[in-house]
Parts: sequence; C-alpha cells; structure tokens
Amino acid sequence: DVKVTQSSRYLVKRTGEKVFLECVQDMDHENMFWYRQDPGLGLRLIYFSYDVKMKEKGDIPEGYSVSREKKERFSLILESASTNQTSMYLCASSSTSGVSYEQYFGPGTRLTVT
Amino acid sequence: RKEVEQDPGPFNVPEGATVAFNCTYSNSASQSFFWYRQDCRKEPKLLMSVYSSGNEDGRFTAQLNRASQYISLLIRDSKLSDSATYLCVVNTGRRALTFGSGTRLQVQP
Repeated sequence: DVKVTQSSRYLVKRTGEKVFLECVQDMDHENMFWYRQDPGLGLRLIYFSYDVKMKEKGDIPEGYSVSREKKERFSLILESASTNQTSMYLCASSSTSGVSYEQYFGPGTRLTVT
Repeated sequence: RKEVEQDPGPFNVPEGATVAFNCTYSNSASQSFFWYRQDCRKEPKLLMSVYSSGNEDGRFTAQLNRASQYISLLIRDSKLSDSATYLCVVNTGRRALTFGSGTRLQVQP
C-alpha cells in the first residue's frame, strides 16, 4: 500500500512565523505535489516536483517555497505566514511509470495562522 | 472560467436511488480523467479512472464525452456509505492534475 505521511495533522502559527510542512512517501514516486484546499475553491496546486532538487510552480505559488533534497521527502515552506494562508494543506505523490498519473494523498495538515 | 467545473450540490438522495453527477472541463487537450472521492475531513482517494469507451466498477459507471468536454459519474443503488464529496479530476498532459471543487452527495436512510 502506498503511504504518504505528513508531519502534523493540526498546526497553529502566528502571523510572520516561518512554517515548515513535511511530506514523506514510501513508494519511490518521482512526482510529489503540494495543494491547499479551501471551501468552494477545491484543491489548488501550489508547487510540484518531478525529481530531486527540481520544482515547478503550480497555480498559486506566491508566499510559498519548497524543498526536495531526497526523493521521498518534499517540504513546503511558508516564509512569513499570513492569515490568508490558513487552510488545509495536502501532499500527494505519483509515479511517472504509470499511464494514469494517479495521485496518492497524505492525510493533510490543517494550518491556522493567527 | 474554471478549468474543471462541477455542481457543488448537495445532492440529497434516499438509499437505493440512482444519482448522476456531471463535470465539464475547458481544456480540449486534456488526456486523462478521473473521479476521486473525499470523505469529510479526509484526503481524496481515487474512485475510478474514466475511459473514452466508458467504464463500470460495480455500482459506479463513468462516461466521457470528448466532443462536449464533459465527464459523468452514475451511482446505482446508493448506500449510506456513498455519502462523500466526489471530485472530478483532469490531466492536461503535465504531471499535475486539475481538480474540480467537488460535488457533495448525502445518502439518507
């Protein structure tokens, strides 16, 4: 079974803090993704990575950065958290070898910025 | 215009009913199509892929209409456990997927 884990289920941070969200997958997947999910807006892609040290901006990268130093780990960084970054953050991974690009998700981190 | 559009619902149906959801997508170059299911406060999980010829998995049937750029999901004999949000998902050839906002289904006893 594919397993994608995220470092925290719930996180509360103050405005201006630097925030790290960690994601680890155990299936040797090449691709990893960070989304945020907000009511009425669905999942929106923040960044993705298709190889170690490679990254591409998604649809809403502003205010975020990412790091992928090892294949199994993909980190999302909020350099200076703001209240409009309060959201559910979901990490996902997928394999390039399949035809469907099916993505497997972690359980999510609910981040509140006060 | 959103890339993937869905009716948010909720669709409230009795147990045993048949219910159908539609989804439209804007990019005619889209290559792969999926339905994901998301339970309340849980992560999305793949329900089924959608093939050009249509496909069935038990009580679930998915259809794709490329000419009209829409995808449908039909659920027969609804169960209480089918209550969830159903996400229409499209791949346009890049490695990332584009998700619709989801359609909420509530099956009532």
